[in-house]
Amino acid sequence: LAKTTQPISMDSYEGQEVNITCSHNNIATNDYITWYQQFPSQGPRFIIQGYKTKVTNEVASLFIPADRKSSTLSLPRVSLSDTAVYYCLVGDMNSGGYQKVTFGIGTKLQVIP
Amino acid sequence: DSGVTQTPKHLITATGQRVTLRCSPRSGDLSVYWYQQSLDQGLQFLIQYYNGEERAKGNILERFSAQQFPDLHSELNLSSLELGDSALYFCASSAFSRGQETQYFGPGTRLLVL
Repeated sequence: LAKTTQPISMDSYEGQEVNITCSHNNIATNDYITWYQQFPSQGPRFIIQGYKTKVTNEVASLFIPADRKSSTLSLPRVSLSDTAVYYCLVGDMNSGGYQKVTFGIGTKLQVIP
Repeated sequence: DSGVTQTPKHLITATGQRVTLRCSPRSGDLSVYWYQQSLDQGLQFLIQYYNGEERAKGNILERFSAQQFPDLHSELNLSSLELGDSALYFCASSAFSRGQETQYFGPGTRLLVL
């Protein structure tokens, strides 16, 4: 079970790009990296998922180096509405991975006007 | 809107009581997960059901139980409630895309035990 480490909190000004890095040194071959976003008093929301290199969607980008021991979630030009907790999950989601992954306390991103 | 519904939204009750939380998954999703989130804590996985059968158990107390019905909605029963059971309870249903499972969370039920 891959353990993940991410910063507890981050601050950013509106309009800046925010990069949140997650360390997962013992990631397994079949593990994927998934990021969720949670607003206060709401359930987490899927943002992006990747296995290697770079993945981009309309919300964010995910950068994964060749050794896959870390990953970086990149949020372009954040706004106040991006203030939330961001969770990095690592696991083989093809075989019931959600039973085994832990959301942890995530990274609390505060966007400042 | 994730498509997952949970009722009630808020629940206030007293210690020693029993409550039932309800979750309806997205149309077509067979899997339902339950999580507990206490103040400033991460989500703790409680239990998973798949198509009516228990699939996995996490940190679920013996005072808690769950079931998934033929129409795929699920209920989480919490009994002999204690102050420490006050938390947000989320359910999530899941779907597979390109071989990977993605969870869709409901809005949660906020339980306050007094």
